[in-house]
Amino acid sequence: EIVLTQSPGTLSLSPGERATLSCRASQSVSSNYFAWYQQKPGQAPRPVIYGASSRATGIPDRFSGSGSGTEFTLTISRLEPEDFAVYYCQQYGSSQFTFGPGTKVDIK
Amino acid sequence: QVQLVQSGAEVKKPGASVKVSCKASGYTFISYEISWVRQAPGQGLEWMGWISAYSGKTNYAQKLQGRVTMTTDTSTSTAYMELRSLRSDDTALYYCARTHTGHYNYMDVWGKGTTVTVSS
Repeated sequence: EIVLTQSPGTLSLSPGERATLSCRASQSVSSNYFAWYQQKPGQAPRPVIYGASSRATGIPDRFSGSGSGTEFTLTISRLEPEDFAVYYCQQYGSSQFTFGPGTKVDIK
Repeated sequence: QVQLVQSGAEVKKPGASVKVSCKASGYTFISYEISWVRQAPGQGLEWMGWISAYSGKTNYAQKLQGRVTMTTDTSTSTAYMELRSLRSDDTALYYCARTHTGHYNYMDVWGKGTTVTVSS
């Protein structure tokens, strides 16, 4: 099973600042099979990025994804109040999906 | 609009079984897979498996093999997830999610979740 590790565990930032979230895989992952999700309290997750770098429907362009192999990054260029949430990375490999443990982006 | 509507909360005793439903609307049901993902209180996301709504083919997380069964009813566009031999650590919010597999593999539409509580 491919294990995903996210860092940092918590990111404390102010609105308007840039957020950089990292996800590392225990073995190489196909970029097409890599995604990021946002989850706010009391809500279901929603996709932010799929295919490592494609924005999901309705996601503003301040969100961008990059990376390949074992290292992937989600960047939020300027945080808006609605962006403070938990972000999970996800991969699909060996017929199994796995999620990372999440990075909480909270207000400093 | 595309939506997944899940069944209501369940309370079960240890050793019992639970069956959660997920009714799809707004898209062609058999064109996608349905994944089930659970989230224990205060914890992260755990993928449980997916089922092809077209073929009924399933793919379960290794951890749950033998305890979980996923099925679909194409006549009602409904997916089901049954979990047996419930334990206290199965207490969680259970989500169904429309799943893309093939060129891109990810979950794009989620239900609101069904709370399953296992308690004696």
